[in-house]
Amino acid sequence: DTAVSQTPKYLVTQMGNDKSIKCEQNLGHDTMYWYKQDSKKFLKIMFSYNNKELIINETVPNRFSPKSPDKAHLNLHINSLELGDSAVYFCASSQRGGGNEQFFGPGTRLTVL
Amino acid sequence: DAKTTQPNSMESNEEEPVHLPCNHSTISGTDYIHWYRQLPSQGPEYVIHGLTSNVNNRMASLAIAEDRKSSTLILHRATLRDAAVYYCILRGNFGNEKLTFGTGTRLTIIP
Repeated sequence: DTAVSQTPKYLVTQMGNDKSIKCEQNLGHDTMYWYKQDSKKFLKIMFSYNNKELIINETVPNRFSPKSPDKAHLNLHINSLELGDSAVYFCASSQRGGGNEQFFGPGTRLTVL
Repeated sequence: DAKTTQPNSMESNEEEPVHLPCNHSTISGTDYIHWYRQLPSQGPEYVIHGLTSNVNNRMASLAIAEDRKSSTLILHRATLRDAAVYYCILRGNFGNEKLTFGTGTRLTIIP
């Protein structure tokens, strides 16, 4: 069973479109995250939710909107896609607390044309 | 965010031990030391973490300096599958627990 799954794996779209990436974890964790890895392979946290409540919101354009319908899901919706949004997006989950490991999904490669 | 410093790259021969260093001189008392690795075209993978004492698991060992200002990830017998970028990250506790990734160490294993 996949612990953290993301769909789709690849997403190719035109500038200006709106798209969503879905994430699900079956580990029973209470906290989920979205990270962005750009073309230079730099990995940066975007958002984190704990029990459906937003706890980390880094400096991200408001075109990005996370939604957590329940503890096991954290989706990422992106409006008005721009060329610079092209990246690999990783979802992760963990139990809250610095002494707990994070489990990452396989990533979604977004290409904006 | 407390920062870590790692060498950009390291090489090691297959089946030999590898010691990956990390400096974190500004670590606070509640920061955990985490190590993750990222294999090509995959998501980051948890390796090990510790607070004050040395730690061992099936993947690796973590040696933490007594003053906690540095640590070393030890792969006891490197294989080709261990070739990856290794990230040393400080993770605070509740309210300050995000993982802030640096540039990591790219480990190359020589057959």
